[in-house]
Amino acid sequence: EAGVTQSPTHLIKTRGQQATLRCSPISGHTSVYWYQQALGLGLQFLLWYDEGEERNRGNFPPRFSGRQFPNYSSELNVNALELEDSALYLCASSLPRDSRPDTQYFGPGTRLTVL
Amino acid sequence: DAKTTQPPSMDCAEGRAANLPCNHSTISGNEYVYWYRQIHSQGPQYIIHGLKNNETNEMASLIITEDRKSSTLILPHATLRDTAVYYCIVDMRFGAGTRLTVKP
Repeated sequence: EAGVTQSPTHLIKTRGQQATLRCSPISGHTSVYWYQQALGLGLQFLLWYDEGEERNRGNFPPRFSGRQFPNYSSELNVNALELEDSALYLCASSLPRDSRPDTQYFGPGTRLTVL
Repeated sequence: DAKTTQPPSMDCAEGRAANLPCNHSTISGNEYVYWYRQIHSQGPQYIIHGLKNNETNEMASLIITEDRKSSTLILPHATLRDTAVYYCIVDMRFGAGTRLTVKP
């Protein structure tokens, strides 16, 4: 069974540009989560999508946004990139949140570097 | 904010059991405790989860206290490849985790 996949593996942008990161969940999973992990730090929750709807977002500015497609894959968009947006962006998927337990399985991440 | 607290680091001798503690005193009655580990900026790897009862799988054992306010992850025979940051999580809020170093 294929795991969570993310693309690209690495992404280099300059300040002010936009970045788009992609995630494909495990087959049968409808929930997708996005996390930011700055170098040497823990994971910070960004966004949660389920059944195409945004269910929750973390304490990030509106220039962090995303969407979930009918096939449950997801995009994370970061507008007006700032140097501090440089981080590993992790995507995870799970069965619907109201199923118990809702174990999340993570992809390998996208390393975003803002110059 | 994370709903769990863990020691920042621990060492363990190769072949010995590694016991990683976690406090989650504000856990709600229907919240699971999850454990993940992360090796050098890879995606976190799921290890085990539990609600009330102790759990065991091929990777580890999870011991949850009767009042559910704390738990312990046990790696029965630690190897060098178990060196990683271990996260104890409730409600999918990640803290800083415990950096476990397995030494030869």
